[in-house]
Amino acid sequence: IAGITQAPTSQILAAGRRMTLRCTQDMRHNAMYWYRQDLGLGLRLIHYSNTAGTTGKGEVPDGYSVSRANTDDFPLTLASAVPSQTSVYFCASSDAGLGGADTQYFGPGTRLTVL
Amino acid sequence: GEDVEQSLFLSVREGDSSVINCTYTDSSSTYLYWYKQEPGAGLQLLTYIFSNMDMKQDQRLTVLLNKKDKHLSLRIADTQTGDSAIYFCAESIWGYQKVTFGIGTKLQVIP
Repeated sequence: IAGITQAPTSQILAAGRRMTLRCTQDMRHNAMYWYRQDLGLGLRLIHYSNTAGTTGKGEVPDGYSVSRANTDDFPLTLASAVPSQTSVYFCASSDAGLGGADTQYFGPGTRLTVL
Repeated sequence: GEDVEQSLFLSVREGDSSVINCTYTDSSSTYLYWYKQEPGAGLQLLTYIFSNMDMKQDQRLTVLLNKKDKHLSLRIADTQTGDSAIYFCAESIWGYQKVTFGIGTKLQVIP
């Protein structure tokens, strides 16, 4: 069982380019999340999806879009990358349901540099 | 709104106990969590505590919750070099699938 995987591991991207970060989980979790981690700012939620077919905005959604066509995949797209999007991106999933502990399982991260 | 605060850095000697502290603002918090992030890796859940509990112990880890002061702590007994990592405090509220994370405390263990 792989758990949750992300691709690519790292990427250097020219400003203005389009980029999709991939995330796949094999745990059949209903909820999935995208965070960015920046030094001194901790983890910030970009977008989330409570179930396949639905998505929502997190704390820092501008410049990013997501889709959730099925349970397993939750890609994050940067339509036109800017240097301020240089960060480490983590995908996570959980199967809390309502009222339970929301244990989140994290992928290994994608290190993105926008020049 | 929710806010979770932690100190940025803690340094301890190998074999000593480590205590990492966290404060949160939302009294509606239902679950409080501790996650560990090793270098180059994603976060991994260490333990969590339900808000009606005061303490939870799991091997070398002890979580203490003071609901009155909205204060959560993680004690690591007999700290080892392998415990060097960033530790995140987090909270969630019953009925909402949203977890708020603190900024993370970097624990350095000196051999």
